[in-house]
Amino acid sequence: DQQVKQNSPSLSVQEGRISILNCDYTNSMFDYFLWYKKYPAEGPTFLISISSIKDKNEDGRFTVFLNKSAKHLSLHIVPSQPGDSAVYFCAASPHPAGAGSYQLTFGKGTKLSVIP
Amino acid sequence: NAGVTQTPKFQVLKTGQSMTLQCAQDMNHEYMSWYRQDPGMGLRLIHYSVGAGITDQGEVPNGYNVSRSTTEDFPLRLLSAAPSQTSVYFCASSLTGADTQYFGPGTRLTVL
Repeated sequence: DQQVKQNSPSLSVQEGRISILNCDYTNSMFDYFLWYKKYPAEGPTFLISISSIKDKNEDGRFTVFLNKSAKHLSLHIVPSQPGDSAVYFCAASPHPAGAGSYQLTFGKGTKLSVIP
Repeated sequence: NAGVTQTPKFQVLKTGQSMTLQCAQDMNHEYMSWYRQDPGMGLRLIHYSVGAGITDQGEVPNGYNVSRSTTEDFPLRLLSAAPSQTSVYFCASSLTGADTQYFGPGTRLTVL
């Protein structure tokens, strides 16, 4: 049973436009959510996170929105740049940030291609 | 700082062989984890450690052993490799929480 779902395996966006990556989860015990970015032949790198007590977190061009009632989160990238082309993983933890939150459940990833 | 290092980068094994994937970090992180990434499966947690001498199982621990004798090192042992263990393995470490979890570059393992 997949607890974290990224239903779009791939997404193509024009440079300068908005990229929206979606993630759904089924486990109501998840309390902390993260997005990781991964380039080929490299390890994932942390991008942005959000706690269940918030519905939005922003960091520069990246914004994560959380809708707890729908068990849905999304990552918005505005404006999209060619260097954003990578695989994006959604991850969730049943623990608050800093308290065992390293136990992550990952989605399958969405490959974003930003076209110049 | 080198961050999280993993060796080897690539490895080919025959079924039944054993080997150890090495992972080291120089950031004095307490938490270390091993994940495997398979096509279409995302990353799945194999084992993790919350400090030297303490380890626990993740989602897919079968066929793997770990130990944590020092803060810096967290090796992953395959006792008898099987083709189902063909994957890319990532080691990660963090100081206190998942938002500061740093991943190594990965080891691509093929079991024939």
